[in-house]
Amino acid sequence: SQQGEEDPQALSIQEGENATMNCSYKTSINNLQWYRQNSGRGLVHLILIRSNEREKHSGRLRVTLDTSKKSSSLLITASRAADTASYFCATGGSWGKLQFGAGTQVVVTP
Amino acid sequence: GAVVSQHPSRVICKSGTSVKIECRSLDFQATTMFWYRQFPKQSLMLMATSNEGSKATYEQGVEKDKFLINHASLTLSTLTVTSAHPEDSSFYICSAKTGKGTGELFFGEGSRLTVL
Repeated sequence: SQQGEEDPQALSIQEGENATMNCSYKTSINNLQWYRQNSGRGLVHLILIRSNEREKHSGRLRVTLDTSKKSSSLLITASRAADTASYFCATGGSWGKLQFGAGTQVVVTP
Repeated sequence: GAVVSQHPSRVICKSGTSVKIECRSLDFQATTMFWYRQFPKQSLMLMATSNEGSKATYEQGVEKDKFLINHASLTLSTLTVTSAHPEDSSFYICSAKTGKGTGELFFGEGSRLTVL
């Protein structure tokens, strides 16, 4: 079963704008990860945030984690057309058995 | 990063036939691999955990006789969809974990199965 839900389900923005998506989960976690999936392709790992971290940055990505609300957000700043993809949060142990959220489809138009 | 290869990337088969999908870790040994299924515009659903040298562990609701998993070596896991039907049409993705215990996870590019 899926671990959580993501919103929005779909997001359409213009290049240069920021994109924010949220993920909620149900059980206690050690860490939460975000992945990107281009249409018809595999997953690319973006960032991992540990349960004792509240915010993490990687390039144009900013991830927050609120364990009290069991939620996380992914912010993509200054979006580019190449950021068009589906984004998934995932929880699970470092043993690799991940449970994915429903995903957010992001479309960035030039 | 490490590379996980899936083959074939696309396969079309007739209803009733069996299809084998391979997942290989190209530059590392993976004692554990995972198989996911993804329907269009939906999330990934974990199907099973593939353990080298032992039986796979299937998630609830996944038919083990329908989806045969073999992990005969440290670099190869196979998923065989037996007696495939149109409802088995889906995108199948594997992931492989480096090392034992904790380790990094890498995903294959996925295999799209279409059953006519």
